Amino acid sequence: AQSVTQPDIHITVSEGASLELRCNYSYGATPYLFWYVQSPGQGLQLLLKYFSGDTLVQGIKGFEAEFKRSQSSFNLRKPSVHWSDAAEYFCALYKTDSWGKLQFGAGTQVVVTP
Amino acid sequence: DAGITQSPRHKVTETGTPVTLRCHQTENHRYMYWYRQDPGHGLRLIHYSYGVKDTDKGEVSDGYSVSRSKTEDFLLTLESATSSQTSVYFCAISETGPETQYFGPGTRLLVL
Repeated sequence: AQSVTQPDIHITVSEGASLELRCNYSYGATPYLFWYVQSPGQGLQLLLKYFSGDTLVQGIKGFEAEFKRSQSSFNLRKPSVHWSDAAEYFCALYKTDSWGKLQFGAGTQVVVTP
Repeated sequence: DAGITQSPRHKVTETGTPVTLRCHQTENHRYMYWYRQDPGHGLRLIHYSYGVKDTDKGEVSDGYSVSRSKTEDFLLTLESATSSQTSVYFCAISETGPETQYFGPGTRLLVL
């Protein structure tokens, strides 16, 4: 069974508009959750992470994510996208009882239009 | 950016030939990982290392072996490459555990 689901394979957003990327996970205990971004031809860059504490997490490049345990979600948001935000975004789950296993979603491709 | 390099960055090889990919880090991190990235699958863990000469299998380890004789280098070997191993391979490192990993630039491998 898929542990991390990103329901949207592809999202198109206008420059300056807000962006929300969805991530749902399947795990009974407290998860560690991450968002990574991958620009074309590049490796993955860590945007933000949630381990515990405040459920609203701030990251780099103006991104934030909110952990909602009741919905098993960790959605990524940005109030106003820039053309440079066009990339693929991956949500990842680390199961605290399964050492070494960082599990990734399939990714969401974001296209930014003028 | 974390000091991680991968070599080669691109490789084309033929079915049945052995291939070795190298990951080199300058961060002195204990943990190193090899992933493959395929469309629709995100990244999947192949093997990881938790110290020199200490390695373990990930979820897609069949057909791959690894070695780590020095802290800074983690080698991934395809013993006999197959077309199904055409992929982009990423190395990652982490300092204190697998929770927060930093990724290299990737190696694009094409097996004909």
